[in-house]
Amino acid sequence: GAVVSQHPSRVICKSGTSVKIECRSLDFQATTMFWYRQFPKQSLMLMATSNEGSKATYEQGVEKDKFLINHASLTLSTLTVTSAHPEDSSFYICGGTRDRGRLSYGYTFGSGTRLTVV
Amino acid sequence: AQSVTQLGSHVSVSEGALVLLRCNYSSSVPPYLFWYVQYPNQGLQLLLKYTSAATLVKGINGFEAEFKKSETSFHLTKPSAHMSDAAEYFCAVSDSVGGGTSYGKLTFGQGTILTVHP
Repeated sequence: GAVVSQHPSRVICKSGTSVKIECRSLDFQATTMFWYRQFPKQSLMLMATSNEGSKATYEQGVEKDKFLINHASLTLSTLTVTSAHPEDSSFYICGGTRDRGRLSYGYTFGSGTRLTVV
Repeated sequence: AQSVTQLGSHVSVSEGALVLLRCNYSSSVPPYLFWYVQYPNQGLQLLLKYTSAATLVKGINGFEAEFKKSETSFHLTKPSAHMSDAAEYFCAVSDSVGGGTSYGKLTFGQGTILTVHP
């Protein structure tokens, strides 16, 4: 089945530094990647949607200059949290679809990244 | 706009008892509906999905859900709970694009934590 490999699974960084999270689709081409954020005891909130080769579309209230998303290839999408602050500490998870979201394929999620900013 | 409401943030059952997790949706277009399970600090595992075929959908691990358009519901059930079912469950709705041929953004409910007692 389709697999999305997400790394790192956990990262601790100092306030003010940047962190990059990678999501690789291992056996399919992820034409669209969705990035979600989950705060403790809350649901998953969509941050942005990226289509391969295009600029990401950000949800209202998400700072595009702070959360940089790159989807330069069909197998790799990255999220960079720039100048991270403690309030950015969260669980980040990516989910990909293929063939422009064809129904028969569904969504495939990574295993998530626990970011802690100290 | 689409939304999902999960009734009950916590559900507790005894091992062997019926599991019923409630989900109601709102969508301006025919919805695609999903149930995911999340174990602590892990990603999302798809249990089942509804994509306008049969209204009773069977998933993995003995779970099933019934799409009821008149009630705008997609409740998740399992006849007999196992200890291993203890986790957090998310109902999600996707809008459709391309005239209903492709998935769009996935919107999650608030989640329901299922506890199974021996």
